Amino acid sequence: DGGITQSPKYLFRKEGQNVTLSCEQNLNHDAMYWYRQDPGQGLRLIYYSQIVNDFQKGDIAEGYSVSREKKESFPLTVTSAQKNPTAFYLCASSYTGRDHQPQHFGDGTRLSIL
Amino acid sequence: GQNIDQPTEMTATEGAIVQINCTYQTSGFNGLFWYQQHAGEAPTFLSYNVLDGLEEKGRFSSFLSRSKGYSYLLLKELQMKDSASYLCAVQDSNYQLIWGAGTKLIIKP
Repeated sequence: DGGITQSPKYLFRKEGQNVTLSCEQNLNHDAMYWYRQDPGQGLRLIYYSQIVNDFQKGDIAEGYSVSREKKESFPLTVTSAQKNPTAFYLCASSYTGRDHQPQHFGDGTRLSIL
Repeated sequence: GQNIDQPTEMTATEGAIVQINCTYQTSGFNGLFWYQQHAGEAPTFLSYNVLDGLEEKGRFSSFLSRSKGYSYLLLKELQMKDSASYLCAVQDSNYQLIWGAGTKLIIKP
């Protein structure tokens, strides 16, 4: 079955630590996205990528980094510079990112501070 | 600025009909999406509107008025499994999605 796989489901970060969230898709989609979801707020875009080896900052990129070395993979690193990382992180993909095709989501990673 | 407004929470009765409204102000418009999200799970796509009017898909329908910056999602014959948050998202001129905070729908027996 085609889909988006995020891992781990739960992640705990210690003070000063960088952590990496995995996102893999086998939908053959060009575009991939990372969102952060906090209670009472809409999804906020962290980074997106419309093609391999290229990515763009979203509205809240500070304290995060990404890479897009393969079409299928778009890992997100939450660095120690992100002072309030506790949130539900969602990865999504879409056909091209320049059309009306819906974004499809992974099951999310819940990140907490130890 | 860009803004999407939805009610925070609504309650309805099993078997009834409920309408969830969404108003928006965005820089450009390339369509409006509705997603369903059960607690702790991924959002799943429900509907897409780009032209004015009603789109019907089974028990769910979605309406759009571009001149009023307004959409609604209509859920008929409500079932307990419809208890979830419903997210409205507008695709702006750069094809990025601007998301509302979501409407939590509580279904009572």
